[in-house]
Amino acid sequence: DGGITQSPKYLFRKEGQNVTLSCEQNLNHDAMYWYRQDPGQGLRLIYYSQIVNDFQKGDIAEGYSVSREKKESFPLTVTSAQKNPTAFYLCASSMTGPYGYTFGSGTRLTVV
Amino acid sequence: GENVEQHPSTLSVQEGDSAVIKCTYSDSASNYFPWYKQELGKRPQLIIDIRSNVGEKKDQRIAVTLNKTAKHFSLHITETQPEDSAVYFCAASRGTSGTYKYIFGTGTRLKVLA
Repeated sequence: DGGITQSPKYLFRKEGQNVTLSCEQNLNHDAMYWYRQDPGQGLRLIYYSQIVNDFQKGDIAEGYSVSREKKESFPLTVTSAQKNPTAFYLCASSMTGPYGYTFGSGTRLTVV
Repeated sequence: GENVEQHPSTLSVQEGDSAVIKCTYSDSASNYFPWYKQELGKRPQLIIDIRSNVGEKKDQRIAVTLNKTAKHFSLHITETQPEDSAVYFCAASRGTSGTYKYIFGTGTRLKVLA
């Protein structure tokens, strides 16, 4: 599936619940990213990681957390502190340097 | 702060006509500008990119131009076809070397009318 897999495709979260979105890549890319996509707002950066065991906050990191224990994996946890989590979440990876991203197929998260 | 403005937000063209989407960036240190196409319900896919040492790049019906002085870049699609209908995003790099992350425009919904 293009070398980068996100799961699940659809996710429903109850109020006060933490949920984790999975992102796995087999492209041997060092860099991985999480973006949030809302209608009319483009893609906004949540977190990114250039190397294993290291990650940095993006523009809208509040209410989210990540880990990078393996090069292939970069899971995103949406915590109860994120007050408006309903959105389409995209994971991406790239080689280090000025190269385009390879995106996953996305996870659509809905609060119920 | 860093910003990428993209225009227009929607664009309708007749099949066979050309389409142009324009983006303006604010960070003078930006040196890499990719364009992505996102079809309905699918992931964004890289269609073309340009680096700051180049003024124009072409790939079949798609071309991108870059004006570093004015800090704007444009996507040109010629001989449009119905399958070109999608949302197109521009992006500009930011950050220091080795920390390439992009700021995206808000997207242009292109409709090619048969």
